[in-house]
Amino acid sequence: KNEVEQSPQNLTAQEGEFITINCSYSVGISALHWLQQHPGGGIVSLFMLSSGKKKHGRLIATINIQEKHSSLHITASHPRDSAVYICAVRDYGGSQGNLIFGKGTKLSVKP
Amino acid sequence: EAQVTQNPRYLITVTGKKLTVTCSQNMNHEYMSWYRQDPGLGLRQIYYSMNVEVTDKGDVPEGYKVSRKEKRNFPLILESPSPNQTSLYFCASSPRRVDRGRSNEQFFGPGTRLTVL
Repeated sequence: KNEVEQSPQNLTAQEGEFITINCSYSVGISALHWLQQHPGGGIVSLFMLSSGKKKHGRLIATINIQEKHSSLHITASHPRDSAVYICAVRDYGGSQGNLIFGKGTKLSVKP
Repeated sequence: EAQVTQNPRYLITVTGKKLTVTCSQNMNHEYMSWYRQDPGLGLRQIYYSMNVEVTDKGDVPEGYKVSRKEKRNFPLILESPSPNQTSLYFCASSPRRVDRGRSNEQFFGPGTRLTVL
């Protein structure tokens, strides 16, 4: 079974800073998801990656399949980026429907 | 508006009293899934469904049942709730062919906060 580790667990940044959140997994995967959970509890899907890099606005997600590692970057961070960011993976050999989650990274961006 | 709805949003119940949390999506998605979220443990998958009449266990299926009789609905059933099922529950849906070049964004419902006394 895949083990998903995120780092850091908590992150405090000043507005405008460049932020990186990391996700590592133990077994080969077919895809990796990045999710954002708002302080009110709602969850939004940010990216799905199987290789390379994706960008949406100030958010960039990368994945290195060989190293079993993904990063989520936020450029020019803003207080509204404050949320919990969650990484989730689909095992390569497992059922396509099974998702394993990291425990999340709580980001707080101060003005 | 494309959305996943869950009902109820909040529920306090007692041990052993059967309950159902409904989940419905209006995007014609094949894939639907239930998760629970607990402090310190994060999100964990309970059950998922790849299509109508097709369901499978996630990581923590004990004490739960699901059914998928229609494409839009995926109810979560607790036949005999216990206090360790007190949690925040999320339903989500996406197109089935996730990871094959199609839009594979997961849409999450707003969550159901369940307390079992």
